[in-house]
Amino acid sequence: QQQVKQSPQSLIVQKGGIPIINCAYENTAFDYFPWYQQFPGKGPALLIAIRPDVSEKKEGRFTISFNKSAKQFSLHIMDSQPGDSATYFCAASIRTGFQKLVFGTGTRLLVSP
Amino acid sequence: DAGVTQSPTHLIKTRGQQVTLRCSPISGHKSVSWYQQVLGQGPQFIFQYYEKEERGRGNFPDRFSARQFPNYSSELNVNALLLGDSALYLCASSYSGTFSGNTIYFGEGSWLTVV
Repeated sequence: QQQVKQSPQSLIVQKGGIPIINCAYENTAFDYFPWYQQFPGKGPALLIAIRPDVSEKKEGRFTISFNKSAKQFSLHIMDSQPGDSATYFCAASIRTGFQKLVFGTGTRLLVSP
Repeated sequence: DAGVTQSPTHLIKTRGQQVTLRCSPISGHKSVSWYQQVLGQGPQFIFQYYEKEERGRGNFPDRFSARQFPNYSSELNVNALLLGDSALYLCASSYSGTFSGNTIYFGEGSWLTVV
């Protein structure tokens, strides 16, 4: 029940394409859903986060879509660029609990020029 | 401002040895968390400390321990190292102890190889 399932494991898109990464969770106590971007040799960096009381959130080229009834959420990257090539992790936590993030298994994104 | 700093960046240890990893949070941050990231997987939560007290612990054996000092820096200790402890150990800091209105910031990690 503590798992967050992420797919696909890897993704290749052309520059300008819109990669979509999907995550699903079981624990209905989760109420904080961040996405992290990780470049090789670096720590994860927060991209965007959403709470279950909204269905969509946009920050720049990154959009989270949230389906509370299905317990699923996804990341869309608009107008993807080669510099977006990285590993993306979804995560979940309880906002008012201690800061334990449960991460998905990651998606390696390659944006070809 | 400096971000989350971790040391050492890389180290190699032998099975059975002990290791200490260090973390300095962002200035003003009072919470430090530790995560283990095995190659090809997402980070796994080990500990959170806030105001020098343990607030949460993940599903890791007692060989793993940590502490937070009065200046909010932290150490992660792993005893009796196993080959499976080889991983990137990430430290994260935030101002307060929950996610309510808070972001956690990760350091670049300490790569531990156990041979």
